[in-house]
Amino acid sequence: NAGVMQNPRHLVRRRGQEARLRCSPMKGHSHVYWYRQLPEEGLKFMVYLQKENIIDESGMPKERFSAEFPKEGPSILRIQQVVRGDSAAYFCASSPREAALGGTRTQYFGPGTRLLVL
Amino acid sequence: AQRVTQPEKLLSVFKGAPVELKCNYSYSGSPELFWYVQYSRQRLQLLLRHISRESIKGFTADLNKGETSFHLKKPFAQEEDSAMYYCALKETSGSRLTFGEGTQLTVNP
Repeated sequence: NAGVMQNPRHLVRRRGQEARLRCSPMKGHSHVYWYRQLPEEGLKFMVYLQKENIIDESGMPKERFSAEFPKEGPSILRIQQVVRGDSAAYFCASSPREAALGGTRTQYFGPGTRLLVL
Repeated sequence: AQRVTQPEKLLSVFKGAPVELKCNYSYSGSPELFWYVQYSRQRLQLLLRHISRESIKGFTADLNKGETSFHLKKPFAQEEDSAMYYCALKETSGSRLTFGEGTQLTVNP
């Protein structure tokens, strides 16, 4: 099992461009979470998705940000018209459908995508 | 709203010394607490969960509901323990994790 895959690992964009970040969950996992880490800060929850459904997007900025997890293919976090403040590390995590012993779905993290907006 | 606080950004100890990484939380319900670790150039990985009451790599953490703390402890630190450690909380319902800002542990030879 290759683990959670994210690409690209590094992304440079100019202000106003679009950024697309991809996340392939671990094999057998149907739950995906996106977190953002600004410089010198901890990870902040953005959105939680299952296949073809957004379950919790309470951490997503109201504008310019969107996420999807289609039936086939990776989950995509899309940032339109990027600004310098979007520069951060974006982490994806996945968990299995069934809860593990103890009732908790452990989240397994990808290596992150580091976005730099010039 | 729930909150996780790790008061120490940096912690430095010598090899063989005891180490304690502090984590305090605020949450009105009954939380699940986790410790994640990120070694240099590696991805974030789960170290332990309070619900499992386990010891991983010599680390333990006890949930103290009275003090709302979940401190991570190891009696004898090793150089390979040097890493970034994050405490995280999951609400009773829901799946999102709330992270602390992390503590960078350095174990000196």
